[in-house]
Amino acid sequence: AQSVTQLGSHVSVSEGALVLLRCNYSSSVPPYLFWYVQYPNQGLQLLLKYTSAATLVKGINGFEAEFKKSETSFHLTKPSAHMSDAAEYFCAVSDAGGYNKLIFGAGTRLAVHP
Amino acid sequence: DTAVSQTPKYLVTQMGNDKSIKCEQNLGHDTMYWYKQDSKKFLKIMFSYNNKELIINETVPNRFSPKSPDKAHLNLHINSLELGDSAVYFCASSQDTSGRGGDTQYFGPGTRLTVL
Repeated sequence: AQSVTQLGSHVSVSEGALVLLRCNYSSSVPPYLFWYVQYPNQGLQLLLKYTSAATLVKGINGFEAEFKKSETSFHLTKPSAHMSDAAEYFCAVSDAGGYNKLIFGAGTRLAVHP
Repeated sequence: DTAVSQTPKYLVTQMGNDKSIKCEQNLGHDTMYWYKQDSKKFLKIMFSYNNKELIINETVPNRFSPKSPDKAHLNLHINSLELGDSAVYFCASSQDTSGRGGDTQYFGPGTRLTVL
């Protein structure tokens, strides 16, 4: 069965610092991987996704993630945090033939302080 | 224009009542979903419809019944509401028609259900 583990339920960084949010997945078939962001009292918005093309994926708002099959990881990074990045971030996996069902990690709350 | 909309945004009701949440998408997508987000922010899929046909039905109590009158609408009816049903319910849609996965899902703003 597929699963997603996000290490660190809370991450706090200073404005301008590197953001690193960790995601490890488990899948018996090549996965599709997603990062979504949820701002307070809003729905989820796609940041980026990996669908077996380039292993380094660039998304919106300066975020990027690298798919590493050997480490079963898909960590999200941003070189310089902005106050507006404070939100909940979810990593998710789906597989071919799974009717596009998304399996989500538990989420990581990112706090950005001045 | 809102791509995926849900009504109502907030729903407060008593235990034992029956309630419905409506979802509409104007993206022309073929597939729609319902997800439940609990108080710890954990998201779990409940149902999915493709062209009005149920394709995903997770282990959800049969008090929950989705209905898709057309491919732009997916409603969720909940009978005999219980305290544990309190959550945020999200509707989503995607263009996926083959079941191959990988398509982006677009989420609605959510409906916060509180059962007293």
